[in-house]
Amino acid sequence: DAGVIQSPRHEVTEMGQEVTLRCKPISGHDYLFWYRQTMMRGLELLIYFNNNVPIDDSGMPEDRFSAKMPNASFSTLKIQPSEPRDSAVYFCASMTANTGELFFGEGSRLTVL
Amino acid sequence: KNEVEQSPQNLTAQEGEFITINCSYSVGISALHWLQQHPGGGIVSLFMLSSGKKKHGRLIATINIQEKHSSLHITASHPRDSAVYICAVETSGSRLTFGEGTQLTVNP
Repeated sequence: DAGVIQSPRHEVTEMGQEVTLRCKPISGHDYLFWYRQTMMRGLELLIYFNNNVPIDDSGMPEDRFSAKMPNASFSTLKIQPSEPRDSAVYFCASMTANTGELFFGEGSRLTVL
Repeated sequence: KNEVEQSPQNLTAQEGEFITINCSYSVGISALHWLQQHPGGGIVSLFMLSSGKKKHGRLIATINIQEKHSSLHITASHPRDSAVYICAVETSGSRLTFGEGTQLTVNP
């Protein structure tokens, strides 16, 4: 398996633009997590899904952020409209309840100008 | 006060030294994770534990549930161990709360 795959790896956009980050979890994993990492706040959970259903979205900063998981092999995190304070590295991770071990993607580095 | 506190924040060691990184937490947990983040930014899970001790190669992780404390030990440290080590506790559901990380530098 190729591991958790995220795209794009880097994105630079202008304030007000829509940003869509994508994640393909490891096949067979039933949990998917979106995390954000900044220098100021470290790693934070944004939202997680179990069997494609959002379980906890209390970490989503505001209505500008939305996440979907239409099927077991794909998830998106969308920011609209984007703001400079959204600049961060966004990580996707997946896990199976059998082991509880998390597998992280390489991250998507977002810069909003 | 953060729910998860790590110490030290920064640690510099000479190759071959025994290293200990500590993690204290203030909430009830179902499990504790140790993660490693390399200079390139990638994050790797090292351990998940809910009791006792786990060992993988030169890495050892222990947890004391009563004292709400965990340690990560690295024996015979090597420059390639240089990374940020992050402690994370699993609380309600599968929610993780992260420590601020410990920057480890191992000099040759």
